[in-house]
Amino acid sequence: DQQVKQNSPSLSVQEGRISILNCDYTNSMFDYFLWYKKYPAEGPTFLISISSIKDKNEDGRFTVFLNKSAKHLSLHIVPSQPGDSAVYFCAAVYLSGNTPLVFGKGTRLSVIA
Amino acid sequence: EAGVAQSPRYKIIEKRQSVAFWCNPISGHATLYWYQQILGQGPKLLIQFQNNGVVDDSQLPKDRFSAERLKGVDSTLKIQPAKLEDSAVYLCASSLDRGGNNEQFFGPGTRLTVL
Repeated sequence: DQQVKQNSPSLSVQEGRISILNCDYTNSMFDYFLWYKKYPAEGPTFLISISSIKDKNEDGRFTVFLNKSAKHLSLHIVPSQPGDSAVYFCAAVYLSGNTPLVFGKGTRLSVIA
Repeated sequence: EAGVAQSPRYKIIEKRQSVAFWCNPISGHATLYWYQQILGQGPKLLIQFQNNGVVDDSQLPKDRFSAERLKGVDSTLKIQPAKLEDSAVYLCASSLDRGGNNEQFFGPGTRLTVL
């Protein structure tokens, strides 16, 4: 039973354009969401997060949007750069329950110059 | 600041053999995690330590997997005996404290192949 779903295994975007990565979740108890970025042969690195009390969080070129009613979040990267090419993992957690992070399967983003 | 160190980076063994992985977290980080990442999947938590105590090992296959963090610093994860389905990348992560809003810093992982 996958509680965090990333339904697009891969995405290709032209340099300078917007990249939109999507994530859906099923567990309504999740109250904190994170995006991690992973390059080959490296561990994941934290990118951006959002609490369930917000619907948007922005950090430079990266913005995460949360739609609680739809149990959906998205990561927007504007403008996309070749160095953004990586696998992006969505993760969710129930902070009050001290539960572990639950990761999606990841989406491989390729930014084409 | 040094990151999370893991060794070895790669390991190939035959099924039924045993293997051990080592992790040294970031200095001062109380919480240490071991994740298993099977190809095409996201990381899955195996065990979480707070200092030298186990916080969560609900997803650790305890018949063959064991882990320890005796002095509350570095940690080892052992598999004995290994099965084909244990082929995966084993990631170690650490954070200042427990709680999902504490940023987790990941090591580069150990890629295990079981033949």
